[in-house]
Amino acid sequence: AQKVTQAQTEISVVEKEDVTLDCVYETRDTTYYLFWYKQPPSGELVFLIRRNSFDEQNEISGRYSWNFQKSTSSFNFTITASQVVDSAVYFCALSELAGSGTYKYIFGTGTRLKVLA
Amino acid sequence: SQTIHQWPATLVQPVGSPLSLECTVEGTSNPNLYWYRQAAGRGLQLLFYSVGIGQISSEVPQNLSASRPQDRQFILSSKKLLLSDSGFYLCAWSVWGLEAFFGQGTRLTVV
Repeated sequence: AQKVTQAQTEISVVEKEDVTLDCVYETRDTTYYLFWYKQPPSGELVFLIRRNSFDEQNEISGRYSWNFQKSTSSFNFTITASQVVDSAVYFCALSELAGSGTYKYIFGTGTRLKVLA
Repeated sequence: SQTIHQWPATLVQPVGSPLSLECTVEGTSNPNLYWYRQAAGRGLQLLFYSVGIGQISSEVPQNLSASRPQDRQFILSSKKLLLSDSGFYLCAWSVWGLEAFFGQGTRLTVV
């Protein structure tokens, strides 16, 4: 069965440190999407990035970067020079083809990141 | 642009009372719709999803039900709430398995 594992429950770093959030997934599908979401204290899930299973090119967006390695079934997220505003819970997710031609999303349990000033 | 509205933002209900949470999407047609629940400090659990009007798939048998009376309207209901129904409920929409976009959520406390 499809599964997403975020082994890090909580991480604390000091501002300006780099931090990597780990995500490991399991899927039987050959085509799938992976995602990262941020959940600030307000609770709303904010979409950060989508990655297609055929595209293993790493991506950088400002201080954020993502490393997708199909060989190890990992999709890790690095924040460079962390800031207090990065404090949130981060979720990794995987899309799974469900019945009726639709998709559903399997989420990891999340990693709570605390960035200390 | 697409937007998703979910209400109410917070709700305190007594055990045994009914529940109705509503979610509407604007700016898109035929979206896939989802209800997730997040217990305090936990991950997201998929409750229901829908590919079209009147089509509901349930992930976890429980005290809740969902309906989709219109293309862009998704409703989560319960006839009698239990203490264990407390949590943070999130509605989401997506198309073609691409990223899901979430509403602001409803914090439900059953007392």
